Amino acid sequence: QITLKESGPTLVKPTQTLTLTCTFSGFSLSTSGVGVGWIRQPPGKALEWLALIYWDDDKRYSPSLKSRLTITKDTSKNQVVLTMTNMDPVDTATYYCAAGWGVATHDYWGQGTLVTVSS
Amino acid sequence: QSALTQPPSASGSPGQSVTISCTGTSSDVGGYNYVSWYQQHPGKAPKLMIYEVSKRPSGVPDRFSGSKSGNTASLTVSGLQAEDEADYYCSSYAGSNNLGVFGTGTKVTVL
Repeated sequence: QITLKESGPTLVKPTQTLTLTCTFSGFSLSTSGVGVGWIRQPPGKALEWLALIYWDDDKRYSPSLKSRLTITKDTSKNQVVLTMTNMDPVDTATYYCAAGWGVATHDYWGQGTLVTVSS
Repeated sequence: QSALTQPPSASGSPGQSVTISCTGTSSDVGGYNYVSWYQQHPGKAPKLMIYEVSKRPSGVPDRFSGSKSGNTASLTVSGLQAEDEADYYCSSYAGSNNLGVFGTGTKVTVL
């Protein structure tokens, strides 16, 4: 059974750095072909890709957010960490992590975590 | 890259069919056979319904089908049921240097 769960702060202040952790089970990020990504969804709005890391440590970032994002993995802990710098109220959203084996496809999703950016 | 374009809403009566379009460009939808569709109920995480244009993951009813023509992909839900009422998002691969791109989302209402 594959599960993913996001954890991190629910409230951050403007200009602060957000660190989110995705802890997963049921698969290994050292298995060829697997990728774990982060997607966010502002309240009432559409999904938006943020970052993706593959089993071989290849990384992809949203072009519009690339300068603010860092994605890393800890295979031994079954975790993927996303950091986003210089948070702004427009970054208020539910942040999801998701895992997949296909091209640009995510088969399994976490429940999501709502992050509010406010002073 | 720009979001893929979907109609904001679609509806149908129980038992009927509804088709949702997803329009992109030759750099995403039209260039690759890597279009996925996700279903999202209110307050829930998205669920993969279709991948690689027309393939269904295990457990997804065959009432859900996908297709593509040119720069437009489509999701058809046949035999609409009350539980199909949800938001649907398409997603497409956009090249090796890109993450991919999501659609704007379509709210499906079962009348």
